[in-house]
Amino acid sequence: GENVEQHPSTLSVQEGDSAVIKCTYSDSASNYFPWYKQELGKGPQLIIDIRSNVGEKKDQRIAVTLNKTAKHFSLHITETQPEDSAVYFCAAIPNTGGFKTIFGAGTRLFVKA
Amino acid sequence: ETGVTQTPRHLVMGMTNKKSLKCEQHLGHNAMYWYKQSAKKPLELMFVYNFKEQTENNSVPSRFSPECPNSSHLFLHLHTLQPEDSALYLCASSQEGSLSGNTIYFGEGSWLTVV
Repeated sequence: GENVEQHPSTLSVQEGDSAVIKCTYSDSASNYFPWYKQELGKGPQLIIDIRSNVGEKKDQRIAVTLNKTAKHFSLHITETQPEDSAVYFCAAIPNTGGFKTIFGAGTRLFVKA
Repeated sequence: ETGVTQTPRHLVMGMTNKKSLKCEQHLGHNAMYWYKQSAKKPLELMFVYNFKEQTENNSVPSRFSPECPNSSHLFLHLHTLQPEDSALYLCASSQEGSLSGNTIYFGEGSWLTVV
């Protein structure tokens, strides 16, 4: 069945360094790729998204890239801060509906001060 | 404030109890979801309601019973649960058929502990 693989499962970086999280999807019908941040004790919150007709999108310190041919997409966080510490989830959604959303397993990011 | 409100935030119940989780969305969306999040496991989709009609039931045990009286409210009725049902239960909503790409918005979750 459809699958989204996310790597790494855990990532530890020094404050100020960059962090990169990578996802691979299998369903070629996927055309929308949101990223969520989940802080301790809270629900996942949408932080950035990208559509299949765009290769890259940036919002301040976070950016997402998409390679549709390779079915890869990545989250890049620059100048990391301790408050970036959280679990990050990628997801892939086909145009048939949000209920077909496939989530990655999550990456726990630690930013050391 | 996420636009999706869940109550209670924390619930401890015995295996013979009956309780309910409540969710309300203030985003004007037409689809609502229940997800289960356990430690070290991916998000598990449990139920989907689209315009109050259940469209997905991912082989969820009958001890979990959803109810969707309207597009803004969603309940999860719980009875005779097992300790392994202890988890974070997330409610979510989306606007199906929109150009926004059916983005799912989550509530803060209800932490359930079954003792």
